[in-house]
Parts: sequence; structure tokens; C-alpha cells
Amino acid sequence: GIQVEQSPPDLILQEGANSTLRCNFSDSVNNLQWFHQNPWGQLINLFYIPSGTKQNGRLSATTVATERYSLLYISSSQTTDSGVYFCAVRGSTLGRLYFGRGTQLTVWP
Amino acid sequence: NAGVTQTPKFQVLKTGQSMTLQCAQDMNHEYMSWYRQDPGMGLRLIHYSVGAGITDQGEVPNGYNVSRSTTEDFPLRLLSAAPSQTSVYFCASSYSRNTEAFFGQGTRLTVV
Repeated sequence: GIQVEQSPPDLILQEGANSTLRCNFSDSVNNLQWFHQNPWGQLINLFYIPSGTKQNGRLSATTVATERYSLLYISSSQTTDSGVYFCAVRGSTLGRLYFGRGTQLTVWP
Repeated sequence: NAGVTQTPKFQVLKTGQSMTLQCAQDMNHEYMSWYRQDPGMGLRLIHYSVGAGITDQGEVPNGYNVSRSTTEDFPLRLLSAAPSQTSVYFCASSYSRNTEAFFGQGTRLTVV
């Protein structure tokens, strides 16, 4: 299967700081998604981004498929950004999602 | 449009009991799947379905059964619960195997 590595595993920020989360994957993919798992356990879709760059408010993401990585940028972080951020990729055959282990983000006021 | 709905949200079972986790979607998605999430790990695929009547095993299928009689529903059955099945279970759906996936709110299962 496809290996997905996320870094850093943990990130602690003060409110207002910026951060970059990284996702590396081991094979070519058809689909890449970023999710935020909030403190209540819900998985919230952030970006569907097989390639290129997308922005949604304070969040943006870039995927460079040829180099097998994706970056999630969080600007002016808020306490509500706390939680675990997952990167997941789909392979070209079965279509299953392969998840990384996540980045645990804690934002302090 | 409710998206992906899972029931129940919480469940406690005794070892050996059976139960069914329900998953329903109203987006006319063909591709549905079940994942489990354990502490410190990402989500791992249990079973998936590419359409009504078609299912297949994922990464960790042992102890679980599925069937897909309609496009909307994809129940997950535990035939004889074991403590190792204590986990949070997520159901997901997507239009096809290559499109954006949407997840239900999860079912937190404890087997004692």
C-alpha cells in the first residue's frame, strides 16, 4: 500500500501564529484530501487537492503530485483550529484512502 | 441533504455479543467504506463497496461482515465482539473511487 507520512506529529502554537503541516506519500495518487478532526472527533473536510493550490479563508493547501508531497498552511491560528489534521491519499487501483498518523495541533490563547 | 449518517454514536458491548453499525448516505454515492480509528493511528480500512451488491475486504477485515443491498446503506456487522474491536468507527462515501470522500460522525464502540 501507499505510505503516508505527516510532520510534525505535534505542534503547539500561540494564537495568531502561522504554521505549515507537511504530508509525504510514497506513490502516485489520484486524490489527496486534508481533514481536521475536531475535539469532538468529527472529521471535517478541509481540501480535496490532487494537485495545485487552493485557499479557503485562513487555510490554504498545495500539492505537488510529481514530488509526492502536500502542504497545509494555517495563518493567524485560532484556538478553534486545535485538533488533529490528517492527510489521506487514494491509490490508482482500489480507491481506498490511505491515512497518515496526523498532526496534533494545539493553539493556546 | 444529511450527508453520511451513522448510528449509534456510542455503544458498549460485552465480549461475544453481536451488533450492527448503521451507515446511510443520501448523496447517491456509489463508493462506501468503513474505517476504524485507534489511538495514535490514522484510519484503517475495514471493508468497502463500489456499488450495490459489491463488497470487498480492506486492511483489517477480520471479525467484521458487510453487505450492500441498496446504494444508500452500508451496515457493518460484528458477529462476536472482542475487546480488540474497541475503537471509533467511521463510515465514508464518495461519488466514485477517485472523488472526494465524506465521513459520518463516527461510532465510539467499547467492548468489555
